[in-house]
Amino acid sequence: QKEVEQNSGPLSVPEGAIASLNCTYSDRGSQSFFWYRQYSGKSPELIMFIYSNGDKEDGRFTAQLNKASQYVSLLIRDSQPSDSATYLCAATLEYGNKLVFGAGTILRVKS
Amino acid sequence: NAGVTQTPKFQVLKTGQSMTLQCAQDMNHNSMYWYRQDPGMGLRLIYYSASEGTTDKGEVPNGYNVSRLNKREFSLRLESAAPSQTSVYFCATSHGVAGRDTQYFGPGTRLTVL
Repeated sequence: QKEVEQNSGPLSVPEGAIASLNCTYSDRGSQSFFWYRQYSGKSPELIMFIYSNGDKEDGRFTAQLNKASQYVSLLIRDSQPSDSATYLCAATLEYGNKLVFGAGTILRVKS
Repeated sequence: NAGVTQTPKFQVLKTGQSMTLQCAQDMNHNSMYWYRQDPGMGLRLIYYSASEGTTDKGEVPNGYNVSRLNKREFSLRLESAAPSQTSVYFCATSHGVAGRDTQYFGPGTRLTVL
């Protein structure tokens, strides 16, 4: 059983809409959660991290964490074509020394 | 300030050949990681080094060895390459442990084993 699950997509949204990306995890001991963006042929780059239940906002991005449901999400407001990429969700394992990544969700923003 | 560098960028090997992937960082980070990325599989941790002088296995260590040469450099060796090791390999670094500090990724090495 994969420890971090994401819908592979592609998720298609029109420019200016809200894109909602979801992730579930299986290890109840996971404490920290990360969202990385990866453009085609490039390396992953961190967008946001979240440790506490609730919402965390950074510009157009909002991360949401619900530890009871083992669910993490990323909302992208006012989506732009430049947001088109693969979004990777990651969770910590084993006292925070390692991350486990989901397979990623492909997002396509249509202009 | 180059951040995280990886060499080579591309490599083609024949089955059974050996090679070493190099990773270097100038960020003064303590922790370094090797991942592989395959289509539909996401990033999978091969080995990591929480500090100079220590290394530990990740999810998929079989067929690989690592060396933390010093604080700056962390190499990944394939002793006898197999087609199943065809992948994109990423090195990453973080100041502290993965769970609290951002991981910064190198540009990747695209390896094909024939």
